[in-house]
Amino acid sequence: QVQLVQSGTEVKEPGASVTVSCKTSGYTFTANILHWVRQAPGQGLEWMAYINPNNGGTKYAQKFQGRVTLTRDTSISAVYMELSRLRSDDTAVYYCATEYGNLGYWGQGTLVIVSS
Amino acid sequence: QTVVTQEPSLTVSPGGTVTLTCASSTGAVTSGFYSIWFQQKPGQAPRALIHNTSKKHSWTPARFSGSLLGGKAALTLSGVQPEDEADYYCLIYYGGVWVFGGGTKLTVL
Repeated sequence: QVQLVQSGTEVKEPGASVTVSCKTSGYTFTANILHWVRQAPGQGLEWMAYINPNNGGTKYAQKFQGRVTLTRDTSISAVYMELSRLRSDDTAVYYCATEYGNLGYWGQGTLVIVSS
Repeated sequence: QTVVTQEPSLTVSPGGTVTLTCASSTGAVTSGFYSIWFQQKPGQAPRALIHNTSKKHSWTPARFSGSLLGGKAALTLSGVQPEDEADYYCLIYYGGVWVFGGGTKLTVL
């Protein structure tokens, strides 16, 4: 079955960087774009970026340009989302979601807390 | 900056029908925007209900349907059940980037 398993909760200080991983299984990793979405506490969903695991091509929302970097490791069917220069308003749950099944499959979410 | 607008909240009685809409600041939403609808309950990841405007996933209850209505993407729930109380989000494709609507909190009362 399709699974997206994300790394665990992270607590970071302002100005630091965080990397969240998303390990996939159950479908052809390189054939499906993978998206990142975040949700701040009590707020709505926010699309951040996507990566094409086949060629590493990426697209970022304008808001995150220069602060977010997506990479992939095809040998283990995983994608990594690095967010730099963290601020308190980056505190959120970060989700990965695959276009396999038309965004029907999501990771469980990773809570990133930015606090001094 | 493209903005996608949804009703902030709606209330519906059990067994009733309700339509949630999703408007784009760029103009009419068409099938080319590949609108997607998600349901999210507290503490859970979003669950996709509708993709490509009107196509259902295998797990989507029959009472949910997607369409285009008056230049907006629309999600209609017919015969609402108490378990449909949730937040609903639309997601619109703008030729390379995706934008979520602000979400609609649906109360079943």
